Amino acid sequence: TQLLEQSPQFLSIQEGENLTVYCNSSSVFSSLQWYRQEPGEGPVLLVTVVTGGEVKKLKRLTFQFGDARKDSSLHITAAQPGDTGLYLCAGGYSSASKIIFGSGTRLSIRP
Amino acid sequence: GAVVSQHPSRVICKSGTSVKIECRSLDFQATTMFWYRQFPKQSLMLMATSNEGSKATYEQGVEKDKFLINHASLTLSTLTVTSAHPEDSSFYICSAVPGLAGGTGTDTQYFGPGTRLTVL
Repeated sequence: TQLLEQSPQFLSIQEGENLTVYCNSSSVFSSLQWYRQEPGEGPVLLVTVVTGGEVKKLKRLTFQFGDARKDSSLHITAAQPGDTGLYLCAGGYSSASKIIFGSGTRLSIRP
Repeated sequence: GAVVSQHPSRVICKSGTSVKIECRSLDFQATTMFWYRQFPKQSLMLMATSNEGSKATYEQGVEKDKFLINHASLTLSTLTVTSAHPEDSSFYICSAVPGLAGGTGTDTQYFGPGTRLTVL
């Protein structure tokens, strides 16, 4: 059983469309991180959110941490083919530096 | 800065042999490193926390006698897959947390490029 569930699992949309990826858990985390991973490579950190209700923007990407720090969302505006990849959320704990990854969302943007 | 390397990038071995994978932090020191395993089309699963100078902490369900971890210096952790079998074939990824203290969940982990292990 995955501690952090992401939805949707797969998403294929046309270039220019908007999309939202969700990351949900029954556990409370001290932080929530979002990563993007290309095939055959390690994940690359996009953002870390630490405060309940926090919203961070990174160009066309908007990240939100839920008020109860159990869930998060990633919204992409005007998706581009370069956004294609595996998006992973990961929850962190205050007592240790380990993080637990979500189930992943595979995103494909069609030109 | 904050670069993590892994060696080898790919390895193919015969069933029953042992394989060692190295994880190095190139421009920083790290008391804590992590080892993950990723099967095709799946997410990363944490295998163990590697602590410099002490025993690794393994996640539930990970056999510590099969996946030997050694973190002998502040820049190097190794994962040895002993008596490898085809079901051990996977993408192994390490990460490192800069610093000499234990750290928290808000600390940035820097990931290596991964090692593709294929056991025949």
